[in-house]
Amino acid sequence: DIQMTQSPSTLSASVGDRVTITCRASQSISTWLAWYQQKPGKAPKLLIFDASNLESGVPSRFSGSGSGTEFTLTISSLQPDDFATYYCQQCDSYFGMYTFGQGTKLEVK
Amino acid sequence: QVQLVESGGGVVQPGRSLRLSCAASGFTFSHYGMHWVRQAPGKGLEWVAFISYDGKKNHYADSVKGRFTISRDNSKNTLSLQINSLRAEDTAVYYCAKERTEMLTGYYSDWGQGTLVTVSS
Repeated sequence: DIQMTQSPSTLSASVGDRVTITCRASQSISTWLAWYQQKPGKAPKLLIFDASNLESGVPSRFSGSGSGTEFTLTISSLQPDDFATYYCQQCDSYFGMYTFGQGTKLEVK
Repeated sequence: QVQLVESGGGVVQPGRSLRLSCAASGFTFSHYGMHWVRQAPGKGLEWVAFISYDGKKNHYADSVKGRFTISRDNSKNTLSLQINSLRAEDTAVYYCAKERTEMLTGYYSDWGQGTLVTVSS
């Protein structure tokens, strides 16, 4: 099974900061990767798909990059609404395996 | 707009069964693959199961294989998850999630609000 490892687990930052979250896959997943944002008590929200494509309606300060085994989610200038938990997810639709990373909690510094 | 409304959660004793439902509206349900994703209290997201648009193909996480059954009724725009032999570790909020496009990718553009299943004696 493919394992997804996010780092860091917790990230403290301030409004206006540029932040980067990393996700590593235990084997190559090409660009079959998504990023989600989740706020307490709410369902996750799709931010990025295919590693670098911005979902409609998502602010352009969010960006994704990477391929193979290493991926990053970058928020260029942190806004108050961005403090949340972020998850990466690998999507192997051929074998029917969709594994999430353990999450990164972005908190106020 | 897309709406996904889960129901059927509750407090259940270990070893019992439960059936979760997800009522879909605002899109052509029969055109999209659907998934169940769960989240244990205070924990991360765990993908549980997938069913193709026509119900002919499904996949399960190893942790639930043999105990969970995903199904759909396209005439009623309803997704279901039958959970048997419930265990304490099945305690979680269960979300239904819609594929982003009609092509299977595993990306979820829409989620329900979730239904809480608590397994406790």
